[in-house]
Amino acid sequence: DVVMTQSPLSLPVTLGQPASFSCRSSQSLVHSDGNTYLSWFQQRPGQSPRRLIYKVSNRDSGVPDRFSGSGSGTDFTLKISRVEAEDVGLYYCMQGTYWPLWTFGQGTKVEI
Amino acid sequence: EVQLLESGGGLIQPGGSLRLSCAASGFSFSTYAMSWVRQTPGKGLEWVSSISGRDNITYYADSVKGRFTISRDISKNTLYLQMSSLRVEDTALYYCAKGRTSDSWGQGTLVTVSS
Repeated sequence: DVVMTQSPLSLPVTLGQPASFSCRSSQSLVHSDGNTYLSWFQQRPGQSPRRLIYKVSNRDSGVPDRFSGSGSGTDFTLKISRVEAEDVGLYYCMQGTYWPLWTFGQGTKVEI
Repeated sequence: EVQLLESGGGLIQPGGSLRLSCAASGFSFSTYAMSWVRQTPGKGLEWVSSISGRDNITYYADSVKGRFTISRDISKNTLYLQMSSLRVEDTALYYCAKGRTSDSWGQGTLVTVSS
């Protein structure tokens, strides 16, 4: 199985300041079709996961543009340009390249 | 708008059976792959099972293979997960998710396996 490793596991942030966290995969996430199926999810307290980013850098509809994803191969990053109070929660990366064997990172907890 | 609504969770004794349902709306249910993912505080998010779109090929995590069965009823736009021989370690919040890239998730249904 592809192992997804996130860091840090906990990230204290300051409102209005940028935040960044990392996700690394144990194998390349480049699919044979040329796409890289790396997604980022936000899980606010008491809610189900919500996809923010797909295929490394594409924002889902309704996702604020302060969220951005980047990376390639095995190393990926999610950035929040200016943290807002509603951004508190857990953030997970997920690989879909080896569908159906999705695997998830352990999550990064963002707290003010 | 895509909506996924899980139900069927509850408290069950080890060795028991339970069927989860996921009612889908807002998209062409029969053409999309669908999956079940579970979440526990200790193990985080874990893929459980998937069913492909159109040809309905099924896939299972090793941890549930032979015990769980995924299926769908297109006439009811509903995804199912039949769980049997339940173990304490199956205790989790179970989500259904749409598509090969999990673009939408339901709110989850809690399964607790305990004597």
